[in-house]
Amino acid sequence: GAVVSQHPSRVICKSGTSVKIECRSLDFQATTMFWYRQFPKQSLMLMATSNEGSKATYEQGVEKDKFLINHASLTLSTLTVTSAHPEDSSFYICSARDQPSGFSYNEQFFGPGTRLTVL
Amino acid sequence: EDKVVQSPLSLVVHEGDTVTLNCSYEVTNFRSLLWYKQEKKAPTFLFMLTSSGIEKKSGRLSSILDKKELSSILNITATQTGDSAIYLCAADTGNQFYFGTGTSLTVIP
Repeated sequence: GAVVSQHPSRVICKSGTSVKIECRSLDFQATTMFWYRQFPKQSLMLMATSNEGSKATYEQGVEKDKFLINHASLTLSTLTVTSAHPEDSSFYICSARDQPSGFSYNEQFFGPGTRLTVL
Repeated sequence: EDKVVQSPLSLVVHEGDTVTLNCSYEVTNFRSLLWYKQEKKAPTFLFMLTSSGIEKKSGRLSSILDKKELSSILNITATQTGDSAIYLCAADTGNQFYFGTGTSLTVIP
């Protein structure tokens, strides 16, 4: 099956620094990638949807300037948490699919997540 | 290789039927198994299972984990059209989540 990887798997940083998380589709071209936050025992919160070559679409309440998303190629999307603070500590999970955006029941493949801890 | 496999991939049933969705996992340092329902934007949390043999229930949904068989099932009784969704399971190792590709359930009136 299709594989999505994330790097790094975990990162610890100081408050005020920026952290970049990569999401890669390893054996397919991901037209659309999604970024989620995962809180313990809670639903995944969709942060943004990114389509290759265009600007990401952010969900309401998600700060665009704080969570920078770049989907520069069909196999790579990056999420940069700028000026990270302790409340940004969370699991960040990406998913990818080879269909254009416009949500439907199309299959999507999840990455393993990145655990961010901001001290 | 760590992986989670769900079956069936898709399922079509009539209202009132009972369905059983399967999830098997092979991961190192397994901690818990999570079930989600995905309808529109983001997966909605259903259950987290850590102990083998203890059933968790929420209304018409129930789930149980079998650590010996490295699997879990999600049961939905008296299905309704509103149960139509993709059901995802994920194995949590504490550091990473391994998601299955989901079971697409369609409930016909």
